[in-house]
Amino acid sequence: QVQLVQSGADMKKPGASVKVSCKASGYTFSDYYIHWVRQAPGQGLEWMGWIRPNDGGTHSAQNFQGRVTMTRDTSISTSYMELSGLGSDDTAVYYCARVTTDSPVNKNLGHWGQGTLVTVSS
Amino acid sequence: DIQMTQSPSSLSASVGDRVTITCRASQTIYRFVNWYQQKPGKAPKLLICDASTLQSGVPSRISGGGSGTDFTLTISGLQPEDFATYYCQQSYSIPLTFGQGTKVEI
Repeated sequence: QVQLVQSGADMKKPGASVKVSCKASGYTFSDYYIHWVRQAPGQGLEWMGWIRPNDGGTHSAQNFQGRVTMTRDTSISTSYMELSGLGSDDTAVYYCARVTTDSPVNKNLGHWGQGTLVTVSS
Repeated sequence: DIQMTQSPSSLSASVGDRVTITCRASQTIYRFVNWYQQKPGKAPKLLICDASTLQSGVPSRISGGGSGTDFTLTISGLQPEDFATYYCQQSYSIPLTFGQGTKVEI
């Protein structure tokens, strides 16, 4: 079965960077886009961007451009999301999510990681 | 960016009730809307894609409808496990955007 297992909770100081990993299993990693979504405490869902594991192509939301870097390591079926210049408003649970089909236009987030809490505090 | 406006933001209901949540897009998105359920401390779960296609394993008391700019999620015969927060999401264009959520409470 499809599984996405994310790295553990992390605490960072303002201005630092954080890197969250998302290890995939149960399917061919390169065939399905991975999206990143975050959720601040008590708030809604905010889309951050996607990565195409096949060739590493990415697209990030304008809110995060210049601050977010999405990468992947196909040898270990793992995607990464690194966010730099952290501020207190970046405190959130960060999720990776896989689309439901291997179509390049599919944007239905059918499989989610368990989430990674990132706390930004001095 | 396409704005997704959900209503209500919360509602109180009882087991057995029929509840309907609405989602309005700021422009036409045809039928490119998905619905997710989220329980406290858990990741969202995809319930419905493309406005009305129920995902495998989702009970048939949950249904979705609409097209263009106006969409609905209906739960007929609310069960204890349905108390959660529900989000709509447009999959028509990037950036993906979500509604603000509807909390269904007892």
